[in-house]
Amino acid sequence: GEDVEQSLFLSVREGDSSVINCTYTDSSSTYLYWYKQEPGAGLQLLTYIFSNMDMKQDQRLTVLLNKKDKHLSLRIADTQTGDSAIYFCAERAWEGTALIFGKGTTLSVSS
Amino acid sequence: GAVVSQHPSWVICKSGTSVKIECRSLDFQATTMFWYRQFPKQSLMLMATSNEGSKATYEQGVEKDKFLINHASLTLSTLTVTSAHPEDSSFYICSARDRSGNQPQHFGDGTRLSIL
Repeated sequence: GEDVEQSLFLSVREGDSSVINCTYTDSSSTYLYWYKQEPGAGLQLLTYIFSNMDMKQDQRLTVLLNKKDKHLSLRIADTQTGDSAIYFCAERAWEGTALIFGKGTTLSVSS
Repeated sequence: GAVVSQHPSWVICKSGTSVKIECRSLDFQATTMFWYRQFPKQSLMLMATSNEGSKATYEQGVEKDKFLINHASLTLSTLTVTSAHPEDSSFYICSARDRSGNQPQHFGDGTRLSIL
């Protein structure tokens, strides 16, 4: 079945760039997503990319997709302490299907 | 942007009580809503897919008589945890997909359920 893998922890200093990586197994994935979850809160959609794209940039966020290797990354430029949270990678194969989530990467930003 | 409202945000109740959680799409119509469960420090696990006007589709291992889902309108789905026990304590999150199908899913803020 489908599987989404992420590294569990990432620690960076304020002002540095953060790169969170994700791999997935379902080659039929059409949309890939990044969500942010702060403690005790729901999921906030950060950005998403369609499978026919290689890159998407949105302000401090850059998403890179390597479809051949089934690898997705999220780069956060100029990381701030407010970026500390859990980041989930998710994929969706078909319209109307639920998202398959990775286990989440905890980003810790120190000042 | 699209907003999904989930209510209540936090419930504490005694073992044996039934608890109803509501999920509403506020500014769009959602033919499909999804219910997830999240244990501490773990990922989201899909419990069921709620379709407006028809029966929900449950994932393997999820008891449909335990977790009753009703999707009576295009903007509201409810999850009722019947005769809740401490092992049902968890964070429940719903998401809704826009009727057009091409938009990403938007999530509610979640409901923290604690059964004593």
